[in-house]
Amino acid sequence: RKEVEQDPGPFNVPEGATVAFNCTYSNSASQSFFWYRQDCRKEPKLLMSVYSSGNEDGRFTAQLNRASQYISLLIRDSKLSDSATYLCVVNMGTNFGNEKLTFGTGTRLTIIP
Amino acid sequence: DTEVTQTPKHLVMGMTNKKSLKCEQHMGHRAMYWYKQKAKKPPELMFVYSYEKLSINESVPSRFSPECPNSSLLNLHLHALQPEDSALYLCASSPILENTQYFGPGTRLTVL
Repeated sequence: RKEVEQDPGPFNVPEGATVAFNCTYSNSASQSFFWYRQDCRKEPKLLMSVYSSGNEDGRFTAQLNRASQYISLLIRDSKLSDSATYLCVVNMGTNFGNEKLTFGTGTRLTIIP
Repeated sequence: DTEVTQTPKHLVMGMTNKKSLKCEQHMGHRAMYWYKQKAKKPPELMFVYSYEKLSINESVPSRFSPECPNSSLLNLHLHALQPEDSALYLCASSPILENTQYFGPGTRLTVL
């Protein structure tokens, strides 16, 4: 089983729609969780951290379910600029300087006008 | 401003060449990282430096040699690379007591 699993997509979604991505991780001792986005031929950029209580940033909502080892990302009112690859990222390190970010394979999202 | 810079942006080298990649950040971050990313794949961790000391080496071949001369600078020295080492090399840094990593734009390396 892969350490971090995502549906690779592609997801082709009309502008204005709501889209949700899911991710599962295998290591129950994982400490922290993130969603990054990566545009073609660019570096990953932090989209948001994911907390057990759930967190929201504008049109984006992230949820973590530790019991099921499951992370989700919801994008509402999608924009053309949301087209990118979304990477689910899990930190399996235990302390500072020992972080090991493990990336999912990414989910490719294309917003259609 | 969360900025990590990397030079050069692009590098083409032969298998017998020696070259170096450079990464710099002036945000006071005390952990720095090297990742390798092949096309259509996620980044893979290579090395972690914490307080200028190597803390993680993910069994990277010795033809890749990292160096952290000071808290702002991270180098990756390359020697006798293979064509399969062609990839995007990403540097990242993270602040103390925060495990969020910020990535530089990467160096796109081609080995002929």
